[in-house]
Amino acid sequence: ETGVTQTPRHLVMGMTNKKSLKCEQHLGHNAMYWYKQSAKKPLELMFVYSLEERVENNSVPSRFSPECPNSSHLFLHLHTLQPEDSALYLCASSQALTGGSAGANVLTFGAGSRLTVL
Amino acid sequence: DQQVKQNSPSLSVQEGRISILNCDYTNSMFDYFLWYKKYPAEGPTFLISISSIKDKNEDGRFTVFLNKSAKHLSLHIVPSQPGDSAVYFCAASDRGSQGNLIFGKGTKLSVKP
Repeated sequence: ETGVTQTPRHLVMGMTNKKSLKCEQHLGHNAMYWYKQSAKKPLELMFVYSLEERVENNSVPSRFSPECPNSSHLFLHLHTLQPEDSALYLCASSQALTGGSAGANVLTFGAGSRLTVL
Repeated sequence: DQQVKQNSPSLSVQEGRISILNCDYTNSMFDYFLWYKKYPAEGPTFLISISSIKDKNEDGRFTVFLNKSAKHLSLHIVPSQPGDSAVYFCAASDRGSQGNLIFGKGTKLSVKP
């Protein structure tokens, strides 16, 4: 496989469930990101990892917990979510952190995981 | 407050004509701008970019124009094709905030045959 792969593509969970979203990139990139896309809102950056270290946490509630075990894999662990957390969660990767060299600003996105919280 | 604004949620254009998508920004520290395209059930894909030291960048049918004094950029698609129908996102970055690419809300382009 090539590019950025996200699983599952669709997830329905209750507010008391615990689930995880998985992201895998086969591009040899050093930075990985979680974005949230809600209806009629811009893509919101949630977490950034560079070389497996978290470098950004945009005031995300603790019910979202990221994990980056290596430079190819990124997880988003979910627990006790709220219905307003229903959204499309997008994983992305880049050669290096965005804001550095021009090429580092090009993100490669996965297809997303559509989350519905009941 | 939104730093990157796409004020037109949607745009409809006839096939063969020009599509112009607009984007405004407020942060004068932004030094690199990108356009992404998103089809339904897919993630956004990179389309074209421009550095703040330039005012135009062209790639085939796609041209991005940057007006720094007005803090405005636009994407021109000529000629528009039905396959261009998608949501287009404007994004911006600055060297002082690495890892934080800021996106607009997107503009849905419909190109009618």
